[in-house]
Amino acid sequence: KNQVEQSPQSLIILEGKNCTLQCNYTVSPFSNLRWYKQDTGRGPVSLTIMTFSENTKSNGRYTATLDADTKQSSLHITASQLSDSASYICVVSGWGGADGLTFGKGTHLIIQP
Amino acid sequence: GAVVSQHPSRVICKSGTSVKIECRSLDFQATTMFWYRQFPKQSLMLMATSNEGSKATYEQGVEKDKFLINHASLTLSTLTVTSAHPEDSSFYICSARSGGDQPQHFGDGTRLSIL
Repeated sequence: KNQVEQSPQSLIILEGKNCTLQCNYTVSPFSNLRWYKQDTGRGPVSLTIMTFSENTKSNGRYTATLDADTKQSSLHITASQLSDSASYICVVSGWGGADGLTFGKGTHLIIQP
Repeated sequence: GAVVSQHPSRVICKSGTSVKIECRSLDFQATTMFWYRQFPKQSLMLMATSNEGSKATYEQGVEKDKFLINHASLTLSTLTVTSAHPEDSSFYICSARSGGDQPQHFGDGTRLSIL
């Protein structure tokens, strides 16, 4: 069964600090992996997308890594800001049926001043 | 670009009422739209996939007579929750994409509360 596991479930850090969120998946075959940011009461917004051959992708202060061999990905946030408080969802796309998307439960990140 | 608008953003109504949620792609033509449901601290769960002009494909366990989906044009899909009950209370999110190789773009969701 395709699964996406994210850790930690929640995280609280001080403004200005860095943090790393983890995503492990068992989706096979693999097409791509996306990280989304979901603010409370809003829809998810795409941060990065990586295919099998990509190891790292940056979007401003967000840097995602992918190890397709170990089926692990991470999202590193640098110099966190209060506006980074949100849920971060890892979504893995396989092939077949309904886009073959498997969603993680997300990591709930809180940035404290 | 690639904006998806969902309306209403919040609905509170009595049990037994039918509720319609609209999902519009504002600046692209959406050949496929998706409807998700999300409970607190849970993943988005796909309910159904709809292609313009054809019947929606529902995920296992989702009642098609309960959740009516219409995708009448390339920019609009609607989800109607018929005879809603408190257990239908949830956050409903739609997404849309313009082609098979294009990413899904999400709306901002509709918070449905059934009293």
